[in-house]
Amino acid sequence: DAGVTQSPTHLIKTRGQQVTLRCSPKSGHDTVSWYQQALGQGPQFIFQYYEEEERQRGNFPDRFSGHQFPNYSSELNVNALLLGDSALYLCASSPGDRSHEQYFGPGTRLTVT
Amino acid sequence: KQEVTQIPAALSVPEGENLVLNCSFTDSAIYNLQWFRQDPGKGLTSLLLIQSSQREQTSGRLNASLDKSSGRSTLYIAASQPGDSATYLCAVKGDYGGSQGNLIFGKGTKLSVKP
Repeated sequence: DAGVTQSPTHLIKTRGQQVTLRCSPKSGHDTVSWYQQALGQGPQFIFQYYEEEERQRGNFPDRFSGHQFPNYSSELNVNALLLGDSALYLCASSPGDRSHEQYFGPGTRLTVT
Repeated sequence: KQEVTQIPAALSVPEGENLVLNCSFTDSAIYNLQWFRQDPGKGLTSLLLIQSSQREQTSGRLNASLDKSSGRSTLYIAASQPGDSATYLCAVKGDYGGSQGNLIFGKGTKLSVKP
């Protein structure tokens, strides 16, 4: 049983560009959450998708957007990249029941130059 | 606003020692608390999940306790090994009724176990 997978592993972009990160949840999970982890910090919640809708959102600007597909996989899009967007982007999945733990993927390391 | 604090920020111990990592949170209205391990540049590995109604959970050499009323959790690691070297993160899920709450993380404790 594959766990949470993310692609790509690493990415280098230039300021002002746009980027799309992808996540496939663990088998049987229908809820996907995205987090941003800056160096030396704990992960910060970006948003959560369930039933193809954004259910919750953290304190991130509209430049950050997402999508969930019918197969529960998800994308994170970031427009007009800033140097401060450089971070490890983590995807987590869980079953619909909120009592369950969240399982994290290996992350995508984004570097903005 | 929920805030999670982890003390100490870094810890270095000789192999074989028992150790305790601390986590505190400001709002006791949590649904559950989760401890994670993170190796450098990698994703998070879930270690233990404690529901708000539980007092502790155990897995192998790890034991996590939760005192919801005082806003504290501890992660106890017995007989530490060099392979335990990593950053340990504590995260709480808010109890907001209805929808799932997101995880709020501390900054982590960086553990180094010397052979």
